[in-house]
Amino acid sequence: DVKVTQSSRYLVKRTGEKVFLECVQDMDHENMFWYRQDPGLGLRLIYFSYDVKMKEKGDIPEGYSVSREKKERFSLILESASTNQTSMYLCASSLIGQETQYFGPGTRLLVL
Amino acid sequence: AQSVTQPDIHITVSEGASLELRCNYSYGATPYLFWYVQSPGQGLQLLLKYFSGDTLVQGIKGFEAEFKRSQSSFNLRKPSVHWSDAAEYFCAVGRGAAGNKLTFGGGTRVLVKP
Repeated sequence: DVKVTQSSRYLVKRTGEKVFLECVQDMDHENMFWYRQDPGLGLRLIYFSYDVKMKEKGDIPEGYSVSREKKERFSLILESASTNQTSMYLCASSLIGQETQYFGPGTRLLVL
Repeated sequence: AQSVTQPDIHITVSEGASLELRCNYSYGATPYLFWYVQSPGQGLQLLLKYFSGDTLVQGIKGFEAEFKRSQSSFNLRKPSVHWSDAAEYFCAVGRGAAGNKLTFGGGTRVLVKP
Protein backbone atom coordinates (compact mmCIF):
# COMPACT_ATOMS: atom_id res chain seq x y z
CA ASP A 1 0.00 0.00 0.00
CA VAL A 2 1.16 3.49 -0.85
CA LYS A 3 2.54 5.44 2.07
CA VAL A 4 3.72 9.01 2.50
CA THR A 5 4.65 10.02 6.03
CA GLN A 6 5.45 13.39 7.50
CA SER A 7 7.61 13.74 10.57
CA SER A 8 5.20 15.80 12.67
CA ARG A 9 1.45 16.35 12.70
CA TYR A 10 1.73 19.56 14.73
CA LEU A 11 4.63 21.92 15.20
CA VAL A 12 5.00 25.18 17.10
CA LYS A 13 7.99 27.41 16.35
CA ARG A 14 9.06 30.94 17.11
CA THR A 15 9.69 33.71 14.60
CA GLY A 16 13.22 33.54 13.24
CA GLU A 17 13.76 29.85 13.98
CA LYS A 18 14.98 27.49 11.30
CA VAL A 19 12.35 24.84 10.68
CA PHE A 20 12.68 21.46 8.99
CA LEU A 21 9.67 19.52 7.73
CA GLU A 22 10.43 15.98 6.69
CA CYS A 23 8.60 13.76 4.26
CA VAL A 24 9.30 10.12 3.48
CA GLN A 25 7.70 7.89 0.86
CA ASP A 26 8.13 4.15 0.55
CA MET A 27 6.94 3.73 -3.05
CA ASP A 28 10.19 4.41 -4.90
CA HIS A 29 8.61 7.47 -6.52
CA GLU A 30 10.83 9.84 -8.45
CA ASN A 31 8.68 12.93 -7.96
CA MET A 32 8.05 14.59 -4.63
CA PHE A 33 6.17 17.79 -3.85
CA TRP A 34 5.60 20.26 -1.04
CA TYR A 35 2.37 22.24 -0.83
CA ARG A 36 0.91 24.61 1.70
CA GLN A 37 -2.82 24.63 2.36
CA ASP A 38 -4.65 27.74 3.53
CA PRO A 39 -8.41 28.23 3.95
CA GLY A 40 -10.03 29.47 0.78
CA LEU A 41 -6.81 29.20 -1.20
CA GLY A 42 -6.64 25.43 -1.57
CA LEU A 43 -3.18 23.96 -1.96
CA ARG A 44 -0.32 25.88 -3.50
CA LEU A 45 2.85 24.28 -4.78
CA ILE A 46 6.01 25.44 -3.01
CA TYR A 47 8.70 23.20 -4.54
CA PHE A 48 8.99 19.89 -6.23
CA SER A 49 11.75 17.45 -6.99
CA TYR A 50 11.94 15.01 -9.88
CA ASP A 51 15.09 13.22 -8.80
CA VAL A 52 17.69 13.11 -6.06
CA LYS A 53 19.39 16.50 -5.69
CA MET A 54 17.06 17.96 -8.36
CA LYS A 55 14.51 20.60 -7.47
CA GLU A 56 12.30 23.10 -9.17
CA LYS A 57 10.41 26.09 -7.80
CA GLY A 58 6.67 25.91 -7.61
CA ASP A 59 4.27 28.81 -7.42
CA ILE A 60 5.21 30.21 -4.00
CA PRO A 61 8.87 29.35 -3.23
CA GLU A 62 9.77 32.59 -1.43
CA GLY A 63 10.94 31.98 2.12
CA TYR A 64 11.42 28.25 1.58
CA SER A 65 14.12 25.90 0.41
CA VAL A 66 14.22 22.13 -0.04
CA SER A 67 16.63 19.26 0.15
CA ARG A 68 16.54 15.84 -1.47
CA GLU A 69 19.61 13.79 -0.64
CA LYS A 70 17.87 10.42 -0.90
CA LYS A 71 15.12 9.29 -3.22
CA GLU A 72 12.66 8.52 -0.45
CA ARG A 73 13.09 11.72 1.57
CA PHE A 74 12.20 15.32 0.74
CA SER A 75 12.71 18.09 3.27
CA LEU A 76 11.16 21.52 3.35
CA ILE A 77 13.23 24.17 5.13
CA LEU A 78 12.06 27.49 6.49
CA GLU A 79 15.35 29.36 6.94
CA SER A 80 13.84 31.98 9.24
CA ALA A 81 10.25 31.25 10.12
CA SER A 82 7.76 34.08 9.99
CA THR A 83 4.18 34.30 11.22
CA ASN A 84 2.84 34.34 7.65
CA GLN A 85 4.23 30.83 7.23
CA THR A 86 1.72 29.50 9.74
CA SER A 87 -0.12 26.96 7.65
CA MET A 88 -0.79 23.31 6.90
CA TYR A 89 2.02 21.73 4.88
CA LEU A 90 1.36 18.70 2.71
CA CYS A 91 3.88 16.46 1.02
CA ALA A 92 3.08 14.30 -2.00
CA SER A 93 4.85 11.90 -4.31
CA SER A 94 4.27 10.36 -7.72
CA LEU A 95 5.92 8.14 -10.26
CA ILE A 96 7.61 9.91 -13.13
CA GLY A 97 5.23 10.09 -16.08
CA GLN A 98 2.26 9.36 -13.81
CA GLU A 99 -0.22 12.02 -12.90
CA THR A 100 -1.59 10.68 -9.65
CA GLN A 101 -0.02 12.18 -6.56
CA TYR A 102 -0.16 10.47 -3.17
CA PHE A 103 -0.39 12.77 -0.19
CA GLY A 104 0.84 12.58 3.38
CA PRO A 105 -1.38 13.54 6.32
CA GLY A 106 0.08 17.02 6.63
CA THR A 107 1.97 19.04 9.23
CA ARG A 108 0.15 21.91 10.88
CA LEU A 109 2.78 24.56 11.63
CA LEU A 110 2.18 27.47 13.97
CA VAL A 111 4.78 30.24 14.03
CA LEU A 112 4.53 32.54 17.04
CA ALA B 1 -1.75 31.45 -16.24
CA GLN B 2 -3.83 28.50 -15.19
CA SER B 3 -6.44 28.85 -12.48
CA VAL B 4 -9.19 26.79 -10.88
CA THR B 5 -12.36 28.20 -9.37
CA GLN B 6 -14.70 26.37 -7.05
CA PRO B 7 -17.57 28.83 -6.64
CA ASP B 8 -19.14 27.17 -3.59
CA ILE B 9 -17.17 27.42 -0.36
CA HIS B 10 -19.72 25.42 1.65
CA ILE B 11 -22.51 23.09 0.64
CA THR B 12 -24.97 21.41 2.99
CA VAL B 13 -26.83 18.37 1.73
CA SER B 14 -29.16 15.87 3.34
CA GLU B 15 -28.09 12.26 3.54
CA GLY B 16 -29.45 10.39 0.54
CA ALA B 17 -29.77 13.51 -1.59
CA SER B 18 -27.72 14.16 -4.69
CA LEU B 19 -24.59 16.29 -4.68
CA GLU B 20 -22.96 18.39 -7.36
CA LEU B 21 -19.76 20.36 -6.84
CA ARG B 22 -18.77 22.90 -9.41
CA CYS B 23 -15.31 23.45 -10.84
CA ASN B 24 -14.23 25.86 -13.57
CA TYR B 25 -10.70 26.04 -14.87
CA SER B 26 -8.60 28.27 -17.04
CA TYR B 27 -5.82 26.60 -18.98
CA GLY B 28 -4.49 27.09 -22.49
CA ALA B 29 -3.94 23.48 -23.47
CA THR B 30 -5.92 20.30 -22.98
CA PRO B 31 -5.98 19.96 -19.23
CA TYR B 32 -5.36 17.10 -16.91
CA LEU B 33 -8.20 17.41 -14.38
CA PHE B 34 -8.52 15.91 -10.94
CA TRP B 35 -10.85 15.78 -7.97
CA TYR B 36 -9.38 15.09 -4.54
CA VAL B 37 -11.14 14.64 -1.21
CA GLN B 38 -9.77 15.52 2.23
CA SER B 39 -11.54 14.00 5.20
CA PRO B 40 -11.01 15.64 8.59
CA GLY B 41 -7.44 15.15 9.79
CA GLN B 42 -6.45 13.26 6.67
CA GLY B 43 -4.32 13.89 3.63
CA LEU B 44 -5.82 14.19 0.16
CA GLN B 45 -7.17 11.17 -1.65
CA LEU B 46 -7.72 11.05 -5.40
CA LEU B 47 -11.38 10.54 -6.34
CA LEU B 48 -11.02 10.60 -10.12
CA LYS B 49 -9.10 12.12 -13.01
CA TYR B 50 -9.59 13.05 -16.64
CA PHE B 51 -7.00 13.29 -19.40
CA SER B 52 -8.78 12.40 -22.61
CA GLY B 53 -11.47 10.19 -24.08
CA ASP B 54 -14.89 9.76 -22.56
CA THR B 55 -15.89 13.02 -20.94
CA LEU B 56 -17.81 11.29 -18.17
CA VAL B 57 -15.40 9.68 -15.75
CA GLN B 58 -16.17 7.37 -12.89
CA GLY B 59 -14.26 7.46 -9.65
CA ILE B 60 -14.15 5.85 -6.28
CA LYS B 61 -16.87 6.04 -3.60
CA GLY B 62 -19.62 6.37 -6.23
CA PHE B 63 -18.47 9.74 -7.58
CA GLU B 64 -18.42 10.79 -11.21
CA ALA B 65 -17.39 13.94 -13.04
CA GLU B 66 -18.11 15.37 -16.44
CA PHE B 67 -15.64 17.36 -18.52
CA LYS B 68 -17.25 20.09 -20.63
CA ARG B 69 -14.69 21.82 -22.76
CA SER B 70 -17.12 24.48 -24.01
CA GLN B 71 -17.83 25.55 -20.44
CA SER B 72 -14.32 24.94 -19.07
CA SER B 73 -15.94 22.92 -16.34
CA PHE B 74 -15.33 19.64 -14.56
CA ASN B 75 -18.20 19.19 -12.11
CA LEU B 76 -18.30 16.39 -9.57
CA ARG B 77 -21.51 14.49 -8.82
CA LYS B 78 -22.83 11.80 -6.58
CA PRO B 79 -26.43 10.54 -6.84
CA SER B 80 -26.91 9.71 -3.15
CA VAL B 81 -24.74 11.16 -0.42
CA HIS B 82 -23.67 9.20 2.66
CA TRP B 83 -22.73 10.77 6.00
CA SER B 84 -19.13 9.65 5.39
CA ASP B 85 -18.97 11.99 2.37
CA ALA B 86 -18.68 14.97 4.69
CA ALA B 87 -15.27 16.35 3.76
CA GLU B 88 -13.52 19.05 1.77
CA TYR B 89 -13.28 18.55 -1.97
CA PHE B 90 -10.63 20.03 -4.22
CA CYS B 91 -10.60 20.34 -7.96
CA ALA B 92 -7.17 20.62 -9.62
CA VAL B 93 -5.69 21.11 -13.06
CA GLY B 94 -2.38 19.52 -13.93
CA ARG B 95 0.20 21.19 -16.11
CA GLY B 96 3.73 20.41 -17.19
CA ALA B 97 5.04 16.98 -18.11
CA ALA B 98 2.39 14.36 -17.37
CA GLY B 99 0.32 17.00 -15.63
CA ASN B 100 2.52 16.79 -12.60
CA LYS B 101 2.29 20.38 -11.44
CA LEU B 102 -1.11 20.82 -9.88
CA THR B 103 -3.05 24.04 -9.47
CA PHE B 104 -5.86 23.62 -6.96
CA GLY B 105 -9.13 25.39 -6.45
CA GLY B 106 -9.99 26.84 -3.07
CA GLY B 107 -12.03 23.82 -2.06
CA THR B 108 -15.67 23.14 -1.22
CA ARG B 109 -16.59 21.92 2.24
CA VAL B 110 -19.52 19.51 2.24
CA LEU B 111 -21.68 19.06 5.32
CA VAL B 112 -24.14 16.16 5.42
CA LYS B 113 -27.34 16.49 7.44
CA PRO B 114 -28.90 13.34 8.87
